[in-house]
Amino acid sequence: IQLTQSPSLLSASVGDRVTLSCKGSQNINNYLAWYQQKLGEAPKLLIYNTNSLQTGIPSRFSGSGSGTDYTLTISSLQPEDVATYFCYQYNNGLTFGSGTKLEIK
Amino acid sequence: EVQLVESGGGLVQPGRSLKLSCAASGFTFSDYNMAWVRQAPKKGLEWVATISYDGSSTYYRDSVKGRFTISRDNAKSTLYLQMDSLRSEDTATYYCARHPTYYGYTQYYFDYWGQGVMVTVSS
Repeated sequence: IQLTQSPSLLSASVGDRVTLSCKGSQNINNYLAWYQQKLGEAPKLLIYNTNSLQTGIPSRFSGSGSGTDYTLTISSLQPEDVATYFCYQYNNGLTFGSGTKLEIK
Repeated sequence: EVQLVESGGGLVQPGRSLKLSCAASGFTFSDYNMAWVRQAPKKGLEWVATISYDGSSTYYRDSVKGRFTISRDNAKSTLYLQMDSLRSEDTATYYCARHPTYYGYTQYYFDYWGQGVMVTVSS
């Protein structure tokens, strides 16, 4: 399954509601996770099984979707959210999207 | 606290071998499937290999099959990746990662990652 993330670069202001998209080439059956990777760091798990928030992750992060289309939402963007975000599917093979780089405007 | 610490990276010539290690602590290593994930410079993430909790099953991406071998020593809580016949396209940061379980069943995302180790394949 190929994953296409959009946009590849997103610039938003502190406090904005931000939505990142991930589209699969086939049905993912909700086996989708989201990772945050800050510069020079390992990826961190944010969301698994489409909408389950990993322990310790702030509640401003949420996930939704079904079928081939999935979304990561940050309800109120914070400066520490600057990072690249990857979606990842584990329904058929194990593949990552190409990432969305999130910047502060 | 779960910790995964990789080691063994470096500069290696094409066609040569390298073995990575990942020392695990803070959890019962032998209860979990483990994996290697890599990231080429300025690129995205790519799953490389997974090994079952007891080492009886291994899985690889097509581009490394026959060249890379994932293994583990549960007595030492250590994961390994033997990389042979290395190519320039194997140049990447290699991360050790854990597959979580849910009511005893392995989930195939990754919940904890090491800090990564760089492998550069170049003459």
